[in-house]
Amino acid sequence: EADIYQTPRYLVIGTGKKITLECSQTMGHDKMYWYQQDPGMELHLIHYSYGVNSTEKGDLSSESTVSRIRTEHFPLTLESARPSHTSQYLCASKLGGGSYEQYFGPGTRLTVT
Amino acid sequence: AQTVTQSQPEMSVQEAETVTLSCTYDTSENNYYLFWYKQPPSRQMILVIRQEAYKQQNATENRFSVNFQKAAKSFSLKISDSQLGDTAMYFCAFMKHGGVQGAQKLVFGQGTRLTINP
Repeated sequence: EADIYQTPRYLVIGTGKKITLECSQTMGHDKMYWYQQDPGMELHLIHYSYGVNSTEKGDLSSESTVSRIRTEHFPLTLESARPSHTSQYLCASKLGGGSYEQYFGPGTRLTVT
Repeated sequence: AQTVTQSQPEMSVQEAETVTLSCTYDTSENNYYLFWYKQPPSRQMILVIRQEAYKQQNATENRFSVNFQKAAKSFSLKISDSQLGDTAMYFCAFMKHGGVQGAQKLVFGQGTRLTINP
């Protein structure tokens, strides 16, 4: 399996709390991505990063924010969690240049009550 | 914008049978990749097979092969001699080539839940 990690794996939290989902990879990949996977299992890109100090919004609008201060670390933050944020969040990374494969983490399943 | 459609929400076959999962896509791009990813229950998403759009030859990886029809924008996955470990969600995905500096984002289909029965 790929060297990309996500913590926590499961999180149940109350409305209004601030949460940070962690994602780290030890492969030295330049590009990193966050996907939201809804209960119907479809995945949508919500954030991506080309490299350090680079972040962009994805195809699906999200109230979350991300940062990329270090190459290996790409955390996602929700300032005030709501039940509508309940979903699975998958982090992925890939080497830049001509490589094509994205490597996925195990995901964080978030439930906001 | 690109779209990917998987019209089979669920499929079920017996072990050792052959199964084909369908995928169609829509794009105006000429240079792109297509992928099949597998997401086993409670496990990480992994790449099964890829196809470069400029290649006419269909990709093959052991028991997995694709039927790539560029003009029809169709990209089906065939699993031969299916095994219990093939039980998973399968996602078809599109990536615009976009050059080496591009975002190289994946656009996923809705997924097909495949169950292999003993």
